[in-house]
Amino acid sequence: DTGVSQDPRHKITKRGQNVTFRCDPISEHNRLYWYRQTLGQGPEFLTYFQNEAQLEKSRLLSDRFSAERPKGSFSTLEIQRTEQGDSAMYLCASSLALYRAYGYTFGSGTRLTVV
Amino acid sequence: GDSVTQMEGPVTLSEEACLTINCTYTATGYPSLFWYVQYPGEGLQLLLKATKADDKGSNKGFEATYRKETTSFHLEKGSVQVSDSAVYFCALSLPALIQGAQKLVFGQGTRLTINP
Repeated sequence: DTGVSQDPRHKITKRGQNVTFRCDPISEHNRLYWYRQTLGQGPEFLTYFQNEAQLEKSRLLSDRFSAERPKGSFSTLEIQRTEQGDSAMYLCASSLALYRAYGYTFGSGTRLTVV
Repeated sequence: GDSVTQMEGPVTLSEEACLTINCTYTATGYPSLFWYVQYPGEGLQLLLKATKADDKGSNKGFEATYRKETTSFHLEKGSVQVSDSAVYFCALSLPALIQGAQKLVFGQGTRLTINP
């Protein structure tokens, strides 16, 4: 287990279709985060899990977005009825539960293009 | 709200030149500060961090000092290499409650290109 894995690396979809991304965190990490990065910008927080519980969601996460982390292991991020504005890099990160942030381990991301 | 402002890029330097990428922050509490690097086609990697005032983070020849009085965390390197070409992100994180999200707030990134 050498890092955070994300699948797929790239996804091209037609507007209106549903897409699902997967993230496999570092096995001993109990915290998992999803971020979105648009072109030329820094990543923005979307949502956070501690074990299987989704404890916080950003206002950026509209009703079309849903994330799960069954059994506190891998996580999925689903976008329903995709829009062109959803085109971005979706980054997953994991960390141990520490009271002060020592930084996460990020995956390589899934680049979504909505055409 | 909490925010991070980075020096705008792109920045182009020759090999062995000195590098400074400015970063300032606004935070309601007492943040931890980070520099992340993103190489082409890859995810973000933690470059260095500092968790309290006057701490100096360092890694791979890069350094940054947490300056509370100027709310800054500028990234410096004395002699850059072609392999340092990447996008650099400054970020902050505030202490969270026991189960709270330790969210990172990122700057917009600075693209650095080093020419041989």
